Amino acid sequence: DADVTQTPRNRITKTGKRIMLECSQTKGHDRMYWYRQDPGLGLRLIYYSFDVKDINKGEISDGYSVSRQAQAKFSLSLESAIPNQTALYFCATSDFSSGVNTGELFFGEGSRLTVL
Amino acid sequence: GQSLEQPSEVTAVEGAIVQINCTYQTSGFYGLSWYQQHDGGAPTFLSYNALDGLEETGRFSSFLSRSDSYGYLLLQELQMKDSASYFCAPGGGNKLTFGTGTQLKVEL
Repeated sequence: DADVTQTPRNRITKTGKRIMLECSQTKGHDRMYWYRQDPGLGLRLIYYSFDVKDINKGEISDGYSVSRQAQAKFSLSLESAIPNQTALYFCATSDFSSGVNTGELFFGEGSRLTVL
Repeated sequence: GQSLEQPSEVTAVEGAIVQINCTYQTSGFYGLSWYQQHDGGAPTFLSYNALDGLEETGRFSSFLSRSDSYGYLLLQELQMKDSASYFCAPGGGNKLTFGTGTQLKVEL
């Protein structure tokens, strides 16, 4: 089983619909992230959470919201999806429990979202 | 502000050595990470440099110069399976900024 699991892996929806992408991890990491990837634009940070009570906006948070339901779960919501939110979304985790930066993120397999 | 520059594409032949450069400007810099991503796959971690100098991991090496805000990834003995996108990611506190990446094509 994957250490970082994203559901759904693929989703097609219509403009205006509410969508939730879920991420769960079994790595016991304290930090979780949501990134978006568009062709030619690399990975851009949407939101990140350093622990259950600490949630922060990334560089492109408009139109998105998140919830850290537990240390192991971090969900991303699109309240009213629009076509330019069509992208590949990645959840990632990292371990900062020792206070040492390792520069290492562990990514899920991605959720491909298409908004028509 | 934050900025990242790396070449968009690099082509090399199997068995060769290739260097992918990265220059960055970012606040709160702790170190520079490198990731590999195959088409349709998730990014995977390759290396992290917190200090100046060269870090070697098998066929891959990564270099950092903090004073020059510059790093590179060196891939030796290229194999076809190395064809992928490579991202440098400067970061602080494990919050990483990714650029648009370098697409490496390895040819026979």
